[in-house]
Amino acid sequence: GEDVEQSLFLSVREGDSSVINCTYTDSSSTYLYWYKQEPGAGLQLLTYIFSNMDMKQDQRLTVLLNKKDKHLSLRIADTQTGDSAIYFCAENRYSSASKIIFGSGTRLSIRP
Amino acid sequence: DGGITQSPKYLFRKEGQNVTLSCEQNLNHDAMYWYRQDPGQGLRLIYYSQIVNDFQKGDIAEGYSVSREKKESFPLTVTSAQKNPTAFYLCASRDRDRGGNQPQHFGDGTRLSIL
Repeated sequence: GEDVEQSLFLSVREGDSSVINCTYTDSSSTYLYWYKQEPGAGLQLLTYIFSNMDMKQDQRLTVLLNKKDKHLSLRIADTQTGDSAIYFCAENRYSSASKIIFGSGTRLSIRP
Repeated sequence: DGGITQSPKYLFRKEGQNVTLSCEQNLNHDAMYWYRQDPGQGLRLIYYSQIVNDFQKGDIAEGYSVSREKKESFPLTVTSAQKNPTAFYLCASRDRDRGGNQPQHFGDGTRLSIL
């Protein structure tokens, strides 16, 4: 299976919070990233967290890192229709600093 | 504005033909990457280059070739040996300074289809 795992789909109501989860396998990972991909476009870096942090907040985005369980989450507060996209979790492994390992992406859809 | 430019946005390939996808960056990044994305799937690494005149195979290099003659350019050739080339191709670059922890920055992609 994937080294970085995410659920494929998430559907939330407009205005609610979205929580996208990710698990990774390499405890040597230094940085963990969240990217957003809109239809037909490239990946846009949303936020990232260093492995010695537990939480990072940036406006509507909150990243939580549980290093013991190798679990990363992205919370989007007050989800809007413009948040509809695919969200990728990615890890930068210390053992392979030249490459970033991506998850398969979570498609977030917003219902009215 | 600094960024990564991929061209063309759409490309069609005939049977037995080689095609080249362009990727140019003006971010002064040392490292550049090519990924393939199939519908509903994540990114798979084709080739990457950490410095000019050097590149390494990724996870799915067969049927592809690259060159890195200039820092700002990393073209990808999809050869006739790649039997299933239809996909969305993404180019990325990254600053190698400061411990190699910098995030990758992406272009807008090229969608390749078979005629």
